[in-house]
Amino acid sequence: GAGVSQSPSNKVTEKGKDVELRCDPISGHTALYWYRQSLGQGLEFLIYFQGNSAPDKSGLPSDRFSAERTGGSVSTLTIQRTQQEDSAVYLCASSLVVSASANEQFFGPGTRLTVL
Amino acid sequence: KQEVTQIPAALSVPEGENLVLNCSFTDSAIYNLQWFRQDPGKGLTSLLLIQSSQREQTSGRLNASLDKSSGRSTLYIAASQPGDSATYLCAASTDSWGKLQFGAGTQVVVTP
Repeated sequence: GAGVSQSPSNKVTEKGKDVELRCDPISGHTALYWYRQSLGQGLEFLIYFQGNSAPDKSGLPSDRFSAERTGGSVSTLTIQRTQQEDSAVYLCASSLVVSASANEQFFGPGTRLTVL
Repeated sequence: KQEVTQIPAALSVPEGENLVLNCSFTDSAIYNLQWFRQDPGKGLTSLLLIQSSQREQTSGRLNASLDKSSGRSTLYIAASQPGDSATYLCAASTDSWGKLQFGAGTQVVVTP
């Protein structure tokens, strides 16, 4: 079956521009996560969705970052007024939360964002 | 705050040798521990998930153990192959939402 998909795969933008990154989770997965992978920081959690609500936004690095999820499916991560330090690979994951201990996350291929 | 450490950062072995990858975590109150594989320029592939109540999980040539009391997990890969070359990451689930705290990874090279 289809896995998690993300688009675009690569995005190059100029400093100060806004960008939108899209994630399509595995069909039926109720939980969706965004992570960021950068050379200096490794892999870090950004935000978590259960259905359309985001009970944990603790990892968003600044108010320039926002995310939404509609119809319990597709999610969009928006970065406003991009800065060079936003350059990273943004990874999306989804899971079918059977229980907290059995919550296996499946990752998409990521979007590589480069801010010039 | 949970901290996850993977040592060594890099490892090179000849084909056929068994691989032993280490992961340690500072807070034993985890829900599960996942092992992932990442190939260059790609996303993460889930290898094994060990629930907090389990001691080990096996899948083919892969076996992962979990010792919560000592804050350690070990991934064993038997009879390594060049196709096993990749970066291996462990991640601890730190809350009921499933938030993962990742280690920095171990880069593995298996030479023919």
